[in-house]
Amino acid sequence: EVQLLESGGDLVQPGGSLRLSCAASGFTFSDFAMYWVRQAPGKGLEWVSAISRSGDSTYYADSLKGRFTISRDNSKNTVYLQINNLRTDDTAVYYCTKAGESYELIRAFVDWGQGTLVTVSS
Amino acid sequence: DIQMTQSPSSLSASVGDRVTITCRASQSIRNHLNWYQQRPGKAPTLLIHDASSLQDGVPSRFSGSGSGTDFTLSIGNLQLVDFATYYCQQSSSAPMYTFGQGTKLEIK
Repeated sequence: EVQLLESGGDLVQPGGSLRLSCAASGFTFSDFAMYWVRQAPGKGLEWVSAISRSGDSTYYADSLKGRFTISRDNSKNTVYLQINNLRTDDTAVYYCTKAGESYELIRAFVDWGQGTLVTVSS
Repeated sequence: DIQMTQSPSSLSASVGDRVTITCRASQSIRNHLNWYQQRPGKAPTLLIHDASSLQDGVPSRFSGSGSGTDFTLSIGNLQLVDFATYYCQQSSSAPMYTFGQGTKLEIK
């Protein structure tokens, strides 16, 4: 069974930093690109970032470039999201997600974690 | 970036009704369109991929159609468990798979 377990969410002051983690199990981690999606309170889903299977390629939503860094450690089956210079509008639940294992599901987010809450407030 | 626009943003219906949600892409995405359901406090779940392919385990009262820029999600014979928020997502511009703003389906 695929499991994605996020952690690292916390209450942080504006300007602070946080590193989120997503521990994966139940599949061959290094075979899959990984993604982060966030959801501000009462708002919709926002695609945040992606990282290739090897970690060599990273992608970010245009509005988030420069403050967010995605990385992965395939030896630990974990993907990370470093967020610097946190702003109040970064307050959200951050989900870790991956595509399906079959060819027809390679472009769909089949597996999701439960999310970790980041609250940015003074 | 490809922008996704859903309508309506909210919708009221009754158990047993049939409803349709639309999603429009800012450019052609062929059939690279997914639909998700999200219940309060839960992670989204995949309903439909490639515009019209039902994900395993999803009831047949859900259906999707469309190609190019215009897509629809239809839910027939609404059940109580279907009252949730629905999101479309383009999967054309890999790996930046952007979402629509969501449609909240509420009980009338």
